[in-house]
Amino acid sequence: DGGITQSPKYLFRKEGQNVTLSCEQNLNHDAMYWYRQDPGQGLRLIYYSQIVNDFQKGDIAEGYSVSREKKESFPLTVTSAQKNPTAFYLCASSTSGTDYNEQFFGPGTRLTVL
Amino acid sequence: GQQVMQIPQYQHVQEGEDFTTYCNSSTTLSNIQWYKQRPGGHPVFLIQLVKSGEVKKQKRLTFQFGEAKKNSSLHITATQTTDVGTYFCAGPKRSGGGADGLTFGKGTHLIIQP
Repeated sequence: DGGITQSPKYLFRKEGQNVTLSCEQNLNHDAMYWYRQDPGQGLRLIYYSQIVNDFQKGDIAEGYSVSREKKESFPLTVTSAQKNPTAFYLCASSTSGTDYNEQFFGPGTRLTVL
Repeated sequence: GQQVMQIPQYQHVQEGEDFTTYCNSSTTLSNIQWYKQRPGGHPVFLIQLVKSGEVKKQKRLTFQFGEAKKNSSLHITATQTTDVGTYFCAGPKRSGGGADGLTFGKGTHLIIQP
């Protein structure tokens, strides 16, 4: 089955620790995205990548980092610099090239900072 | 920056009643997309509207795109318990900007009372 996988589903972390969230897709999509979802806030864009070895900051990139070494993978690191990291993190992908492409979302990772 | 406003934030209806959510963008959009997120789930693409004044139907769901391409609505006729969830509208962050990501509204939570 084609799709997007995210792991882990739930993640707990202590304050001051960095943590990396995994996102893998086998849809052969060029573009990948990370969104953060807080209650009542909708989805906010953290980082996006339109092609391998290139990525851009979204609206709320501070305290996060990403890499795009392979087309299939777009991991997100939540660093200790992120002031309020507890949230639901969603990875998405789409075919690239235009702004007319629907986005396919993974199941998400719920991060809780203790 | 671009803003996408969505109202109402919550809507309680009796099963069988109709439901409408409204979306307004601060900028003209090349297209608008609608997503549905079931409780505990991830957003799933419903539809995309591209043309000014466009109307599309999916069974009991009717989607409209305004003449100025800055507003949109989703109307559900005779709601069913399977319609429960949060409905988001989203527009490209930058028209003609390729796959730069989407700006999401905060969503409308549809709650259905049997």
